[in-house]
Amino acid sequence: EPEVTQTPSHQVTQMGQEVILRCVPISNHLYFYWYRQILGQKVEFLVSFYNNEISEKSEIFDDQFSVERPDGSNFTLKIRSTKLEDSAMYFCASIFGGRGGGETQYFGPGTRLLVL
Amino acid sequence: AQSVTQLGSHVSVSEGALVLLRCNYSSSVPPYLFWYVQYPNQGLQLLLKYTSAATLVKGINGFEAEFKKSETSFHLTKPSAHMSDAAEYFCAVSDRGNNAGNMLTFGGGTRLMVKP
Repeated sequence: EPEVTQTPSHQVTQMGQEVILRCVPISNHLYFYWYRQILGQKVEFLVSFYNNEISEKSEIFDDQFSVERPDGSNFTLKIRSTKLEDSAMYFCASIFGGRGGGETQYFGPGTRLLVL
Repeated sequence: AQSVTQLGSHVSVSEGALVLLRCNYSSSVPPYLFWYVQYPNQGLQLLLKYTSAATLVKGINGFEAEFKKSETSFHLTKPSAHMSDAAEYFCAVSDRGNNAGNMLTFGGGTRLMVKP
């Protein structure tokens, strides 16, 4: 069964450094998402992406964050200058998007980011 | 804005006992409703979802959920718990409409523990 993959599974970085989290959505899917989960807190929406542009973003997704689909398969989340509070599990998700509302979002296994 | 409340961050049941995980949403228009499960070190996996008229929804692994508009609830149940059901369960909603790309809003999650 097709699945969403994410790399790396774990990343440790120093505060102020840039990180890029990578996702490979399911191949025929058209909508892509990033969510994060700070330890002990809710899963929170960051951004959605469709047709090579951001379709929706949350207040969390400020100028330090950016997303890109650099090729036909990868979907990346970049944090330009990491802060301690960016430490979280980051999930990528995707849907086909052509079947009306309520489609199932398929999630990757997540990248655990630790900012020191 | 949508919000989702899961009563009980931790629920403990004995093997073979009924599982009941509670979820309430706040929205003037009933949203699409989802239950996801997260096993340790894995991503979020869809258990079931409510998108249309059938208010009792059956999902994988013997779980089901009933949408009750009058109570704005979508509680998850399983008649008989199994040790393998131990995991974190998340209720989520997305806006109803024709826009396929709507984000998910998650509840805080409920960790289910199953005692032998």
